[in-house]
Amino acid sequence: QKEVEQNSGPLSVPEGAIASLNCTYSDRGSQSFFWYRQYSGKSPELIMFIYSNGDKEDGRFTAQLNKASQYVSLLIRDSQPSDSATYLCAVRGAGRRALTFGSGTRLQVQP
Amino acid sequence: EAGVAQSPRYKIIEKRQSVAFWCNPISGHATLYWYQQILGQGPKLLIQFQNNGVVDDSQLPKDRFSAERLKGVDSTLKIQPAKLEDSAVYLCASSLEGLATHEQYFGPGTRLTVT
Repeated sequence: QKEVEQNSGPLSVPEGAIASLNCTYSDRGSQSFFWYRQYSGKSPELIMFIYSNGDKEDGRFTAQLNKASQYVSLLIRDSQPSDSATYLCAVRGAGRRALTFGSGTRLQVQP
Repeated sequence: EAGVAQSPRYKIIEKRQSVAFWCNPISGHATLYWYQQILGQGPKLLIQFQNNGVVDDSQLPKDRFSAERLKGVDSTLKIQPAKLEDSAVYLCASSLEGLATHEQYFGPGTRLTVT
């Protein structure tokens, strides 16, 4: 079992729709969770982080965390073609600063 | 504020050759990471430095990979000898201690092709 699992996609949504990206992790001791966006040929850039169960909103982005289910999600409202990228879920385990990344979900927003 | 700098951006070598990558982190960032990202996969940690010291090198293939961070600033990652499966993007990242987020800032990466 991979430590951090994501559906590779592609996830295709029409412009203006809500994109829902999901991630599960295996280490119950994980303490913090990150979503990175990576455009083709570029390096990852941080979108959001979340530590506590529940929802965290930042503009068009909402991160959701359910530690009991070991599940993290990212919702993108009003999706734009510029949101087309690979979204990486990353997890920081207890006592560690380095991140464990999933393989990413490729999102395609159709104009 | 200048970001994380890496060089070279691209490198093509033949298998069994050696190669070195350089990283200059954001000024004042005590923690430096080297990640390997193979096409279609997420970044995988190779080594983490805290100032001059190694914090985590559990996934570094030590028979061929080495890294150092002199004076707690710049870092080099070396591969000797390279194998075909080392073809990947090598990402350097840095973070500032003391912040709750411990956000990691990534450099542009070095794309290595081993033929």
